[in-house]
Amino acid sequence: AQSVTQLGSHVSVSEGALVLLRCNYSSSVPPYLFWYVQYPNQGLQLLLKYTTGATLVKGINGFEAEFKKSETSFHLTKPSAHMSDAAEYFCAVSHSGGGADGLTFGKGTHLIIQP
Amino acid sequence: NAGVTQTPKFRILKIGQSMTLQCAQDMNHNYMYWYRQDPGMGLKLIYYSVGAGITDKGEVPNGYNVSRSTTEDFPLRLELAAPSQTSVYFCASSLANGVTYEQYFGPGTRLTVT
Repeated sequence: AQSVTQLGSHVSVSEGALVLLRCNYSSSVPPYLFWYVQYPNQGLQLLLKYTTGATLVKGINGFEAEFKKSETSFHLTKPSAHMSDAAEYFCAVSHSGGGADGLTFGKGTHLIIQP
Repeated sequence: NAGVTQTPKFRILKIGQSMTLQCAQDMNHNYMYWYRQDPGMGLKLIYYSVGAGITDKGEVPNGYNVSRSTTEDFPLRLELAAPSQTSVYFCASSLANGVTYEQYFGPGTRLTVT
């Protein structure tokens, strides 16, 4: 079975500071990993994904994440936070086959940007 | 393209009532999904479908039913609504490209059962 743990339900950073959102996973199959962002009262939007190959993946809005198999981690980073980054962020792992039969989500991390 | 659309946006049900949450996509995706999102709990998979006429249970299917008569539509039926079904429901779709199944989400339906 797959599971996802996001460390920290709330993370607060200053505008311009580094953003680091942590995600650890467990998976019985080679994992396909995703980060989604949810703005208030909206659906989820894909930020980036890891399938195979390069372990450092770049996404939209300046975000990137690194897959570390030995640490079973897929942390999300952004060098310089912007006020518009304030949102809920979800890490997810595929059930199997790249996610055809659904995703398992973490509980989410609420990112707060201080001016 | 409208993407994934869901209706209604909000609904209040009384205990024991039934309703159908509508979901449609115009991207010709073959895979569709229903998730529920409870506060502080992330999303949990209710049902999914890999094509018209084929559906399968997810993690939390009890109290729900689905059907997939067309590629575009994937309605979720609640029979005998219970307070535990108060949640935000998201529909998603994806295209099976043989590599990953990037899911596109609708805006959600906020359901309250009282």
